[in-house]
Amino acid sequence: GEDVEQSLFLSVREGDSSVINCTYTDSSSTYLYWYKQEPGAGLQLLTYIFSNMDMKQDQRLTVLLNKKDKHLSLRIADTQTGDSAIYFCAEEGLNDYKLSFGAGTTVTVRA
Amino acid sequence: DTGVSQNPRHKITKRGQNVTFRCDPISEHNRLYWYRQTLGQGPEFLTYFQNEAQLEKSRLLSDRFSAERPKGSFSTLEIQRTEQGDSAMYLCASSPPQGSNEKLLFGSGTQLSVL
Repeated sequence: GEDVEQSLFLSVREGDSSVINCTYTDSSSTYLYWYKQEPGAGLQLLTYIFSNMDMKQDQRLTVLLNKKDKHLSLRIADTQTGDSAIYFCAEEGLNDYKLSFGAGTTVTVRA
Repeated sequence: DTGVSQNPRHKITKRGQNVTFRCDPISEHNRLYWYRQTLGQGPEFLTYFQNEAQLEKSRLLSDRFSAERPKGSFSTLEIQRTEQGDSAMYLCASSPPQGSNEKLLFGSGTQLSVL
């Protein structure tokens, strides 16, 4: 089965950049995703990247993909208190109806 | 359409009781998914519908679990004879037909607590 791994915690000062890292094992992944989850809520799709791209930028979010190393990262510029949440990395394989998620990275933004 | 809707938001039940959850997907989305999320973990795939057809079930879905999507619109997930290990957040998601640029969107989930 697929395995997606993320570091569990990240603490960042307000206004700094956050970088969340993820590694995955399925080399046939077609899309890779970042979702955000606030306490007691469902998952909000933040951004995604197609596997033949190496970078995608969307306002404060930058996704970097190193397909050779199977490494994905999410950079949040100018991190705000509202960015405090759990961030999940997920991969979509050839069977495009199933996502495999990491355990999530809890991001805490301190003043 | 305000997104994927799930009911109830919270359910507390006693061990051995049956529970049923409902999911209303985004109306143009023909694909519907159920995931389960336990504390400190990411969501795990349970099952998937394309229109009214249930195309795959995870081995996580024991025979106490049944999901339906009778008219290809809303879906229900029933758990019979609940156990404490069933306590989790049950997430529903939907997506449009393959080839669309839209991706999987999740509802707010149903938090189940089995006492």
